[in-house]
Amino acid sequence: DAGITQSPRHKVTETGTPVTLRCHQTENHRYMYWYRQDPGHGLRLIHYSYGVKDTDKGEVSDGYSVSRSKTEDFLLTLESATSSQTSVYFCAISILSSYNEQFFGPGTRLTVL
Amino acid sequence: AQTVTQSQPEMSVQEAETVTLSCTYDTSESDYYLFWYKQPPSRQMILVIRQEAYKQQNATENRFSVNFQKAAKSFSLKISDSQLGDAAMYFCAYRSANHMRFGAGTRLTVKP
Repeated sequence: DAGITQSPRHKVTETGTPVTLRCHQTENHRYMYWYRQDPGHGLRLIHYSYGVKDTDKGEVSDGYSVSRSKTEDFLLTLESATSSQTSVYFCAISILSSYNEQFFGPGTRLTVL
Repeated sequence: AQTVTQSQPEMSVQEAETVTLSCTYDTSESDYYLFWYKQPPSRQMILVIRQEAYKQQNATENRFSVNFQKAAKSFSLKISDSQLGDAAMYFCAYRSANHMRFGAGTRLTVKP
């Protein structure tokens, strides 16, 4: 357990509404990540952060923005949700070790109607 | 860009038997890391085993072991003495620098 929580755990929203997902960690890890999981695609990186106010895009960043104003919190925002953004969203942190392995939060299931 | 391929969408194994899950990847890099993650119905992603590309020795964690063939870009997972609790989705992942890429996953069913 790397001390990662995500909120909310489930959310149903309507097309066109803004949505913000929160990832919170308790161990001051520098690197944080947002992924989405879809059948047939595994996990795909949306955005990542390498420090406070330092973020970069992943392979599926269109329609998403992120912010990190504190080390412990990494927010993912869907400015105007679409049905194609219905997915399970995972936050992850990276342990700075020889492997730099990633550990994941419990996930958020988002449904956009 | 690196790609990770898991060619077996579904596998099944009898309890107490051995099963091997396949994973291949494509990269031009020489320094990287490989991982297998397990995702049970709870949806939690659990790290099962990891391998550094420069290490020739195959990693082992209890009943889980890998067969790492660097030249063939293959990284298979062997589960010995399968247990009902091993039933899950298994994801192979490749990591270099700060980026990790995942395969599409293999759903493993364990039959009692």
